[in-house]
Amino acid sequence: NAGVMQNPRHLVRRRGQEARLRCSPMKGHSHVYWYRQLPEEGLKFMVYLQKENIIDESGMPKERFSAEFPKEGPSILRIQQVVRGDSAAYFCASSPTPGARSGNTIYFGEGSWLTVV
Amino acid sequence: GQQLNQSPQSMFIQEGEDVSMNCTSSSIFNTWLWYKQDPGEGPVLLIALYKAGELTSNGRLTAQFGITRKDSFLNISASIPSDVGIYFCAGQTGANSKLTFGKGITLSVRP
Repeated sequence: NAGVMQNPRHLVRRRGQEARLRCSPMKGHSHVYWYRQLPEEGLKFMVYLQKENIIDESGMPKERFSAEFPKEGPSILRIQQVVRGDSAAYFCASSPTPGARSGNTIYFGEGSWLTVV
Repeated sequence: GQQLNQSPQSMFIQEGEDVSMNCTSSSIFNTWLWYKQDPGEGPVLLIALYKAGELTSNGRLTAQFGITRKDSFLNISASIPSDVGIYFCAGQTGANSKLTFGKGITLSVRP
C-alpha cells in the first residue's frame, strides 16, 4: 500500500463538527475509492471517483457525507455534523488507468481513524 | 447485495504449520484479491487472481481462483509469527469496479 497517502491518520471531533479526510492516490492512478471499516468488520465500499467525477456513490450515506476528487489536489471525504456512529477507520484506495500494465488492482492507504466524542 | 463469506472468524495454528482459508460468494466475481491487515494499518495486497482456475503463488502464499468464479482459497505454508493478522478476501466484478470484502479471518500463530 506504499504510495496512497492519507491524512490525518487520526482525527478526533466533537459531535456536530465537521471531519475532512484527505487522500492522494498512487502516482499514475486516476481512480480513487473510499471505504469505511467499523471495529471487527470488513471494509464497506462508500464511493468511487475519477478526476472531477463521481462514478459510483452507492455506498455513501444519503446525508452528511460527500466526496470529491478535484482536477488538482487530493480527494476529500467530508462528513458534516458528525455523530458517534461515524467513528470508524476510513480507507482510501487507488487503481491505475484502465490498460495500465499493473492491471486494475486496488491498493490501499494506511487509513484515517475518526473518533467522535 | 453481494456478500463474501469467510469462516471461521478466528484460526489458531502452531508456528511451522500450514493453514488454508476459504472465501465463498453467492455471485460471480471476475477478480479475486487477498489482503492482510495488521492492527492500525491499511490492508496490504497479498495476491490478485484474474482468471477462473488460476493458481498463483507469492512466496509462502498460494491462492486459487475457483473455477465457478464463486470462491477462492488462500494457503499459507510453514507459518511464522509475522503471519499474524486479519486476512480478507475481496471480489471485483469489472475493471476498476468497487471491491466487496469478506469479514476477515483473524490468524494467530503460536510460537
